[in-house]
Amino acid sequence: KQEVTQIPAALSVPEGENLVLNCSFTDSAIYNLQWFRQDPGKGLTSLLLIQSSQREQTSGRLNASLDKSSGRSTLYIAASQPGDSATYLCAVNEGDKIIFGKGTRLHILP
Amino acid sequence: DAGITQSPRYKITETGRQVTLMCHQTWSHSYMFWYRQDLGHGLRLIYYSAAADITDKGEVPDGYVVSRSKTENFPLTLESATRSQTSVYFCASYPAGSSGNTIYFGEGSWLTVV
Repeated sequence: KQEVTQIPAALSVPEGENLVLNCSFTDSAIYNLQWFRQDPGKGLTSLLLIQSSQREQTSGRLNASLDKSSGRSTLYIAASQPGDSATYLCAVNEGDKIIFGKGTRLHILP
Repeated sequence: DAGITQSPRYKITETGRQVTLMCHQTWSHSYMFWYRQDLGHGLRLIYYSAAADITDKGEVPDGYVVSRSKTENFPLTLESATRSQTSVYFCASYPAGSSGNTIYFGEGSWLTVV
């Protein structure tokens, strides 16, 4: 059974700092891995998708990496801004099921 | 408009009542999913469907029923609502066939069982 873990559960950092969010998964037979953002009381917004054959994806200040062999992914956020405050979720796609971690609640201090 | 829509967005119901949450997608995606999101548990998969007339249980299926007679619709029914089913429910769809395909979410349905 696939288990997805995100550490830390919550994180507060001063504005302007670079930060890394972590995601680990137990079964490396994945189709892809996706990072989402969720604002309070809202739905999920897709940030980055990394296919199983890829090592990383970049979008603006965001960079996501994938190491299938070790069952790990990281989301790197450069030059953090208060608008980045949200919950970040990673999701592992097994082809027919998509399993989520519990998320990291990020607070950027102005 | 193309997309995935859920209804109702907000619902208050009484214990023991039957409730159906509707999900409709306009893309003809093969896969559809129902998740519930609770504090401390994250998003948990209730049921998923690989195609019309094909459904399967996820992590927390007890107390829920789904059907998928048409590709675009995937209703979730709570046969006899309980307070533990108070949650936010998200429907999602996914066009299987490529590992580069993203999953799309509806806006969520907030359900309160009193």
